[in-house]
Order: sequence, then C-alpha cells, then structure tokens
Amino acid sequence: SQTIHQWPATLVQPVGSPLSLECTVEGTSNPNLYWYRQAAGRGLQLLFYSVGIGQISSEVPQNLSASRPQDRQFILSSKKLLLSDSGFYLCAWSTGTSSYNEQFFGPGTRLTVL
Amino acid sequence: DQQVKQNSPSLSVQEGRISILNCDYTNSMFDYFLWYKKYPAEGPTFLISISSIKDKNEDGRFTVFLNKSAKHLSLHIVPSQPGDSAVYFCAANPGGGADGLTFGKGTHLIIQP
Repeated sequence: SQTIHQWPATLVQPVGSPLSLECTVEGTSNPNLYWYRQAAGRGLQLLFYSVGIGQISSEVPQNLSASRPQDRQFILSSKKLLLSDSGFYLCAWSTGTSSYNEQFFGPGTRLTVL
Repeated sequence: DQQVKQNSPSLSVQEGRISILNCDYTNSMFDYFLWYKKYPAEGPTFLISISSIKDKNEDGRFTVFLNKSAKHLSLHIVPSQPGDSAVYFCAANPGGGADGLTFGKGTHLIIQP
C-alpha cells in the first residue's frame, strides 16, 4: 500500500530564516506531487505541483520554491521566511491516471513564523 | 475570487440525524468534484467524488448530489455519528487534468450526542 510522509511535524522559525520541508511517498512510482497550504480560517491553497522529476509548476508567486530531486521526493523551500508564511503545509500525491485526480494527503507540517 | 464556496463555516447536527453540507462553484469548466474530511492536525482524507455527467453518487452513509444547472453540490451523511465530527472540504478538478484541486474553505461539522 502507498504511504506518504512529511517532516517535520511542527516547526517554529524566526522571520528571515530559511525553510526546508520534505515529503516522500512509498509504494507507488511516478506519482504527481503537490504542496498545499492551509492558513488560519482559510481553505487549502495549491502552491506547487509536479508531474515528474525536475518538473515544477507554481500556482502562486511568493518567496517559496519547490524541487523534486527524486521520483518520490518533493521539497518545499524558502530562503527567507515571512510572517505570512505561517500555516499548515500539506503534501499530497495522485496517480495521475484518474480524471477525478483524487489526491492523498500526508499528515502535514505546522509552521509558525515568529 | 473563490471558485468553490462553502458558505457555512460550521454546522451542528444531532447524532442519528442527517447532515447536509453544501458547496457552490462558479467555474463551469469543473468536471469532477470531491469531498474530503479533515481532523485537526491531520491531512484531509478522501471521502467521495462525482463527475459532472452524474447527479448522484452513493457510498455507504455518504451520498453526494450534483445540480449542474445551479452549480451546486451537497454531501449527505445518514445517519450522523460522533466520528463524523470534522471539517469537510469540497474540491473541484477542472477538465480531469493533473493540476491541483480547487478547494472551498471547509465546513466544520459538529455531531452532538
């Protein structure tokens, strides 16, 4: 069966510090991968998605970036965090073969920028 | 501009009764709709989906209804159970592509004993 891991689970960082969140998927090959953010009182906002190694599509221009160095690894980064980057970050995967594009989410990372 | 709207931030329902969660959308290009359930500090879990060529899909206690002309869908949970207390997100996928889903803001369902 497929599993998706995210770490760390929680993170408290000062403004201006760098960020690296990692996501890995097991039990599947060539998944589509996604990063979402849920800010307080808001829905899930798509940040990035990837359909293959090295292929990144950005949905929202911001100070975040994403990379996919391996087939089942997806990394979210920032060089300098802003207060507005606080939120709950979710990684998700899909098979890429379903028209519904049902996505399966990881446990999330709670990021607090102080 | 929100393309998927869940206008009720919260809903309280008595255990054993029917829970009805509503969702409206504005983009006529949306072809596929999904409902997710989320507990605090966890990732959302997929519940049920429906395509725009159908008006109903049922899975156990969960039924999703789609009114394409009104651009409205609803999730019915019968009977409601305490474990159903969670935030429910409506999501849409335009054209069946691999792009990310467009989510509503969610409705917090509270099942009262």
